[in-house]
Amino acid sequence: SQQGEEDPQALSIQEGENATMNCSYKTSINNLQWYRQNSGRGLVHLILIRSNEREKHSGRLRVTLDTSKKSSSLLITASRAADTASYFCATVRSNDYKLSFGAGTTVTVRA
Amino acid sequence: EAEVAQSPRYKITEKSQAVAFWCDPISGHATLYWYRQILGQGPELLVQFQDESVVDDSQLPKDRFSAERLKGVDSTLKIQPAELGDSAMYLCASSLPLASTDTQYFGPGTRLTVL
Repeated sequence: SQQGEEDPQALSIQEGENATMNCSYKTSINNLQWYRQNSGRGLVHLILIRSNEREKHSGRLRVTLDTSKKSSSLLITASRAADTASYFCATVRSNDYKLSFGAGTTVTVRA
Repeated sequence: EAEVAQSPRYKITEKSQAVAFWCDPISGHATLYWYRQILGQGPELLVQFQDESVVDDSQLPKDRFSAERLKGVDSTLKIQPAELGDSAMYLCASSLPLASTDTQYFGPGTRLTVL
């Protein structure tokens, strides 16, 4: 069963704009990770945030984590056409350390 | 940069036939995972290996699926017989032995179509 749930399911933005997507989860976690998947390809790890962290940055990516609300957000700033992909949040549960993926947000960046 | 290798990239088969997928993890990664990803959904874990041992196969349909990692390096996932509902992307991933809570590195996947 999938623990994470992303919102929105799909997002279309203009190149240069920011893209924000959210992830909610159900059980206590050890860490939360975001992955990107280009059409028909494997997943690429983007960023990991641990349960005792609140915010993390990597290049144009900013991730926040609110464990009290069991939610996370991924912000992509100054989007590019190459950012067009599906983005998945994945949680590592505290009780069994299994990685569980959400259904993903499909992002389309228009030139 | 080291990558996880998978083959074939695409496989079309008829139902009731047998199919096999191969995965070669990043060198030194003792933990290997097989996931199934149905179109429009996130990946779901089928089986996890630590070296040559299965540590989790609770979601593997054992009546038709089998997985092995005989020498603790590369791995094979088999489906026999294939059913229409098995059409999906099969992803292999690997991670460092003592970092199962950290980053998993994914291969390009095998897209299976069952006719």
